[in-house]
Amino acid sequence: EAGVTQFPSHSVIEKGQTVTLRCDPISGHDNLYWYRRVMGKEIKFLLHFVKESKQDESGMPNNRFLAERTGGTYSTLKVQPAELEDSGVYFCASSQVVYSPLHFGNGTRLTVT
Amino acid sequence: ILNVEQSPQSLHVQEGDSTNFTCSFPSSNFYALHWYRWETAKSPEALFVMTLNGDEKKKGRISATLNTKEGYSYLYIKGSQPEDSATYLCALPINSGNTPLVFGKGTRLSVIA
Repeated sequence: EAGVTQFPSHSVIEKGQTVTLRCDPISGHDNLYWYRRVMGKEIKFLLHFVKESKQDESGMPNNRFLAERTGGTYSTLKVQPAELEDSGVYFCASSQVVYSPLHFGNGTRLTVT
Repeated sequence: ILNVEQSPQSLHVQEGDSTNFTCSFPSSNFYALHWYRWETAKSPEALFVMTLNGDEKKKGRISATLNTKEGYSYLYIKGSQPEDSATYLCALPINSGNTPLVFGKGTRLSVIA
């Protein structure tokens, strides 16, 4: 089976610009998660989709972050406008059922200058 | 807030040595524990998902134990090889049911040939 894919792998943008990250989960995985790792810190939860519904968005830092999962397939995470502290690696992961392991994408390394 | 502690933060061992590290968590409200292996420039890869007290899982030279009553899990690597060099992450679900994982900061293992 194809794994979780993320695009782009790297993005360098200036403060104030907009960036959209995309995640294609494993086909058939209803659960889709966004996580972020800032340099030197732990991987932190941002958002959880079950199919197209937002199950939990308690980890979203602020309203500059908008995630969507139209049709319950791929997901996008838009940062607008980007700030310096948004720099980090954004991971997407998907899973089938409760307590099953997460399948991670390779991440998008976002650098805001 | 669920606090997942991993120790040590980093570890250097010689090729052939066996090693172990710890994940500690609150013993109350335990549901499951995940171990992931994260190689540089790759995505985290699931090693084990453990749910029962006393559980022991094994994958090749890597094994893990779980003590839910005292709130810890050990990951063991027997006869470390350079390819075992990676960050090992421990994660637990915030709550019961279909909830996101909270990750520890990881243990960074370097195996010196």
